Amino acid sequence: SAVISQKPSRDICQRGTSLTIQCQVDSQVTMMFWYRQQPGQSLTLIATANQGSEATYESGFVIDKFPISRPNLTFSTLTVSNMSPEDSSIYLCSVQGRIPYTDTQYFGPGTRLTVL
Amino acid sequence: AQKITQTQPGMFVQEKEAVTLDCTYDTSDQSYGLFWYKQPSSGEMIFLIYQGSYDQQNATEGRYSLNFQKARKSANLVISASQLGDSAMYFCAMRSSGGYQKVTFGTGTKLQVIP
Repeated sequence: SAVISQKPSRDICQRGTSLTIQCQVDSQVTMMFWYRQQPGQSLTLIATANQGSEATYESGFVIDKFPISRPNLTFSTLTVSNMSPEDSSIYLCSVQGRIPYTDTQYFGPGTRLTVL
Repeated sequence: AQKITQTQPGMFVQEKEAVTLDCTYDTSDQSYGLFWYKQPSSGEMIFLIYQGSYDQQNATEGRYSLNFQKARKSANLVISASQLGDSAMYFCAMRSSGGYQKVTFGTGTKLQVIP
């Protein structure tokens, strides 16, 4: 499986600020996704990060709040903008469709965000 | 729309015993994939096992096996010979229509292994 790293692993931020989370994969992948997991909850897909074009956002998530970049096939960033305590969550990057193709989504170690 | 249901919020199992975690799903698609992930307290999501809807045999990966009953739309995870390190949250997930489609997760089951 792909080796996926995320930075930072955790952070404590003040409300109103922004945090950019990086996701790096050790090999080229076709699909990259960003998920949010609020405390005690399941995973919710924020968006699909598309290489070279705008991300595809799920219902309830908007680009102004969660801008995403994907400049190449191994790297993506998610920014959580103008944070509030409700943004305190684990943010997870996942990848699928390695070369060769795989059915499985593999996850990074996650970024644990606390907003005060 | 697809839906995953995990009805056991928490489970206990004695060390070295087997345990079954339940998962039912709902989809109108003919082609889909079912996954189980483990999430320890560290927060990472660890892929355990995958079952395709057209697979003839139940998937197995070491101590993990997936009891796939297509007619009942269930995909239960069986962990044999439980170990203390198995204590974690377990999520069932589904992706329909194959390919690069959205994955839907269940609400999870917290498994605690008792020494």
